[in-house]
Amino acid sequence: SVLTQPPSVSAAPGQRVTISCTGSNSNIGADSGVHWYRQLPGTPPKLLIFDNNHRPSGIPDRFSGSKSGTSASLTITGLLADDEADYYCQSYDSSLTAWVFGGGTKVTVL
Amino acid sequence: EVRLLDSGGGLVQPGGSLRLSCAASGFNFVDYAMVWVRQAPGQGLEWVSTETGSDAYTFYTDSVKGRFTISRDYSKNTLYLQMNSLRVDDTAIYYCAKARGLLLEGWHFDSWGQGTLVTVSS
Repeated sequence: SVLTQPPSVSAAPGQRVTISCTGSNSNIGADSGVHWYRQLPGTPPKLLIFDNNHRPSGIPDRFSGSKSGTSASLTITGLLADDEADYYCQSYDSSLTAWVFGGGTKVTVL
Repeated sequence: EVRLLDSGGGLVQPGGSLRLSCAASGFNFVDYAMVWVRQAPGQGLEWVSTETGSDAYTFYTDSVKGRFTISRDYSKNTLYLQMNSLRVDDTAIYYCAKARGLLLEGWHFDSWGQGTLVTVSS
């Protein structure tokens, strides 16, 4: 994938997890916004964060995003069992003229 | 409420064709770019194609250029993906999604269909 994510992260309930998304100067570093999605098994993805750090209505403030240089991150605080899912970052790559996703990160609640 | 209803998937032999449909409701269809995103079994998300709306520009990922065509029918509020010369590695769930954002570089996908499964196999 053009955007690189760790395959998995895990933490206990109530703890915090951070998922990284590393790109390059033609996508995240080129000021393209970074967006995050959550996908539960057997369901379509759902938008969690857009434009680096904005939450759509209905998304709790336990979810936050940040971006610096060619990388971005999604942080989930107060981890719940229901947060077990796959998480994807997404941006736009100007060299490829393509919208690109990270490979996805599976969050496990221990 | 925004609703996107994907349909048209199925089993097709390599080299065959399928046309996917995405019926949209709950928003002004002409005002928004629309995309197709696919997910191969057990794999991550892959952007496939974008149609920009009223100015009708289209974009494709390299692996489908020349084989897939995205279009829409405004009278039916429906997005299509015509898939020709299908290959085994096109096997995936195909999702349509509504794009949102001020600039193309910032487009993200705020509503998704439920997906339709395309299986390419002999």
